[in-house]
Amino acid sequence: GIQVEQSPPDLILQEGANSTLRCNFSDSVNNLQWFHQNPWGQLINLFYIPSGTKQNGRLSATTVATERYSLLYISSSQTTDSGVYFCAVERGGQGNLIFGKGTKLSVKP
Amino acid sequence: KAGVTQTPRYLIKTRGQQVTLSCSPISGHRSVSWYQQTPGQGLQFLFEYFSETQRNKGNFPGRFSGRQFSNSRSEMNVSTLELGDSALYLCASSWAGTGAGEQYFGPGTRLTVT
Repeated sequence: GIQVEQSPPDLILQEGANSTLRCNFSDSVNNLQWFHQNPWGQLINLFYIPSGTKQNGRLSATTVATERYSLLYISSSQTTDSGVYFCAVERGGQGNLIFGKGTKLSVKP
Repeated sequence: KAGVTQTPRYLIKTRGQQVTLSCSPISGHRSVSWYQQTPGQGLQFLFEYFSETQRNKGNFPGRFSGRQFSNSRSEMNVSTLELGDSALYLCASSWAGTGAGEQYFGPGTRLTVT
């Protein structure tokens, strides 16, 4: 099956710093989403981005489907950005998301 | 528009018991998917329902089952609970008629099996 690899696994930042999270996938996909899991466990939608670039405030994402990777950019990080960021993909309309292991982000004040 | 809701939020059960979890999707969404999250295995897909039919199933034993009602609400059941079933169970809904679509997740049900 398709493999989803996220890097780095852990990231510690000082408040105000910028960061880039990466998601590599082993096969072509027709669906890619980025989520932020808050401390209470809920997955919050960040981007639905099977290809192209999107921006939402301090966050932006780029997916290069032909090269099988996606990047999530966080600028001017805040302590509330802390948590685990997941990339999830779907292959061929199979109907389910396959998740990476996540990047755990800690933003220090 | 209200988000995905899941009940109960927390549950403690004993080995051998069974449990039923409930999920109400976003209004208008007809697809409901269930995922299990554990520290060791991460997020894994259980099954997906669309218009009361199971369309897709993950690699879990038959003790895990689900159903969807005509109002798109879904339940999942785990019978003969094992310690390894302790996990966060997440439900997601989407409007997608085919494929997973853009999925929106509920707050989850945290199940502890003792």
